[in-house]
Amino acid sequence: DAGVIQSPRHEVTEMGQEVTLRCKPISGHDYLFWYRQTMMRGLELLIYFNNNVPIDDSGMPEDRFSAKMPNASFSTLKIQPSEPRDSAVYFCASSLTGLPFDEQFFGPGTRLTVL
Amino acid sequence: AQTVTQSQPEMSVQEAETVTLSCTYDTSESDYYLFWYKQPPSRQMILVIRQEAYKQQNATENRFSVNFQKAAKSFSLKISDSQLGDAAMYFCAYRDNAGNMLTFGGGTRLMVKP
Repeated sequence: DAGVIQSPRHEVTEMGQEVTLRCKPISGHDYLFWYRQTMMRGLELLIYFNNNVPIDDSGMPEDRFSAKMPNASFSTLKIQPSEPRDSAVYFCASSLTGLPFDEQFFGPGTRLTVL
Repeated sequence: AQTVTQSQPEMSVQEAETVTLSCTYDTSESDYYLFWYKQPPSRQMILVIRQEAYKQQNATENRFSVNFQKAAKSFSLKISDSQLGDAAMYFCAYRDNAGNMLTFGGGTRLMVKP
């Protein structure tokens, strides 16, 4: 398996523009997670899905952020409108089950820069 | 809320030597799970080792081992025979028995000197 795939790897955009980050989880994994990594706040969970259904979105910072999972092999994280403080690395991760000992496999991340 | 603290922003070690990275956490739970993740310059987060809180025996994975002190809420990572490829950011993470959320510490940057 190719692992968790994220695109794009880098995204530079201007304030006010819409940004869409994409993720393909490992085939057969039922759980998908979106994390954000910044120098100030470290790694924080934004939202996670179980069988394509959003379970906990309490980490989503504002209404400008939205995430969808239309099918088991694809998820998007959208920021509209983007702001400079959204600049961060966004990671997608997936796991086979939701069991607490289960490993979460991370993608390579998308580095987002909002000018 | 659970918190995870890594008090060493940076550590360095000589190649082939041993280094220990510190992690403490705060929780009121009795059953939980702890993890160490490695993030090399490629940015990919890689699981290094994990520990179940109900197990007294410390986890080991080849050159990596942990010292889990439940009463002290401490979970340190020991890397033996350090290699240049071990240079990376290391994150300690906590997960309770009920939730799916991983709570991460702030990370420790490990440098390995040849």
